[in-house]
Amino acid sequence: EPEVTQTPSHQVTQMGQEVILRCVPISNHLYFYWYRQILGQKVEFLVSFYNNEISEKSEIFDDQFSVERPDGSNFTLKIRSTKLEDSAMYFCATAGTSGADTQYFGPGTRLTVL
Amino acid sequence: KNEVEQSPQNLTAQEGEFITINCSYSVGISALHWLQQHPGGGIVSLFMLSSGKKKHGRLIATINIQEKHSSLHITASHPRDSAVYICAVTSGTYKYIFGTGTRLKVLA
Repeated sequence: EPEVTQTPSHQVTQMGQEVILRCVPISNHLYFYWYRQILGQKVEFLVSFYNNEISEKSEIFDDQFSVERPDGSNFTLKIRSTKLEDSAMYFCATAGTSGADTQYFGPGTRLTVL
Repeated sequence: KNEVEQSPQNLTAQEGEFITINCSYSVGISALHWLQQHPGGGIVSLFMLSSGKKKHGRLIATINIQEKHSSLHITASHPRDSAVYICAVTSGTYKYIFGTGTRLKVLA
């Protein structure tokens, strides 16, 4: 069964460093999302991406965050200058040919900022 | 105030029990989703509902649009059902708005 994959599974970084989280969507999916879950809290929406541009972003998704699909397959989330409060599990999700389709979640990347 | 509220927050049941998890929401929705999150963190979609009732194996999900309420039922619960069950809605856009989850533990 097709699945969303994410790399790395765990990333440890120093405060102020840049990190790139990668997601490989299910083939032929067109809608892409990033969510995050701070330990012990609910999952929160960060950004949605369709047709090579951001469709919607949350208040969390400020200027230190960016997304792109550089090679038509990988979907990346970059955090330019990490902060302690960026420590969380980051989930990529993808949906098929309609934004109303069920989203399929990747296994997550646990980001730890020291 | 959270747009999506779940109850209970934690639930412990004996194997074989019938389990109900509730979800209330305060916004107009296009769909409601039930998801399962395993201890390792992975999230799996169980149901997407816009009306009525859906059944998959031992899981049943219902929604009452007028009352802005949904329930997830598990029949003949089993220890492997132990997980966090999350209600999420889509409202106007495609992003999921998540509830805080219900942590279920089923004892053998």
